[in-house]
Amino acid sequence: EPEVTQTPSHQVTQMGQEVILRCVPISNHLYFYWYRQILGQKVEFLVSFYNNEISEKSEIFDDQFSVERPDGSNFTLKIRSTKLEDSAMYFCASSGTVPEQPQHFGDGTRLSIL
Amino acid sequence: EDQVTQSPEALRLQEGESSSLNCSYTVSGLRGLFWYRQDPGKGPEFLFTLYSAGEEKEKERLKATLTKKESFLHITAPKPEDSATYLCAVRNYGGATNKLIFGTGTLLAVQP
Repeated sequence: EPEVTQTPSHQVTQMGQEVILRCVPISNHLYFYWYRQILGQKVEFLVSFYNNEISEKSEIFDDQFSVERPDGSNFTLKIRSTKLEDSAMYFCASSGTVPEQPQHFGDGTRLSIL
Repeated sequence: EDQVTQSPEALRLQEGESSSLNCSYTVSGLRGLFWYRQDPGKGPEFLFTLYSAGEEKEKERLKATLTKKESFLHITAPKPEDSATYLCAVRNYGGATNKLIFGTGTLLAVQP
């Protein structure tokens, strides 16, 4: 069964550094998302992406964050000038050819900021 | 404000002991209620989508139902492998949004 793949599974970074989290969505999906889950808290929406542009972003997704689909398969989340509070699990998700189809999630990248 | 509340926070069952998990929601207009299963260290795994009150979906020992204010995930004769966190999420009619709003989940432990 097709799945969303995320790399790395764990990223440890010094505060102030930049990180890039990578995702390979399911191949025929057109809608892409990033969510994060701080330890012990809810899964929360960051950004959605369709047709090579951001379609919606949350208040968390400020100028520190950016997303990109650099080629036909990858979808990346870049976090600049990381802060301690950016430590969380970051999940990538994708959904099919119409937005009503369910979102399928990867297993996440655990980001630890030291 | 759109909100999703799940109860109980944790549930411990004996193998074979049926029960239900609750998801109460407040949204401006429901455009889908989703149930996911999340194992430790993994991402949410899609289980069901429900769109309208009265709708039911089943998969193995799980059945999801929907009313205008809440959804239930019924677990019949659970097995230890059903142990996981079960997440409920909603999508509303706010413009072009497709974002999911999640609850905090119910941690289910099924003991043999």
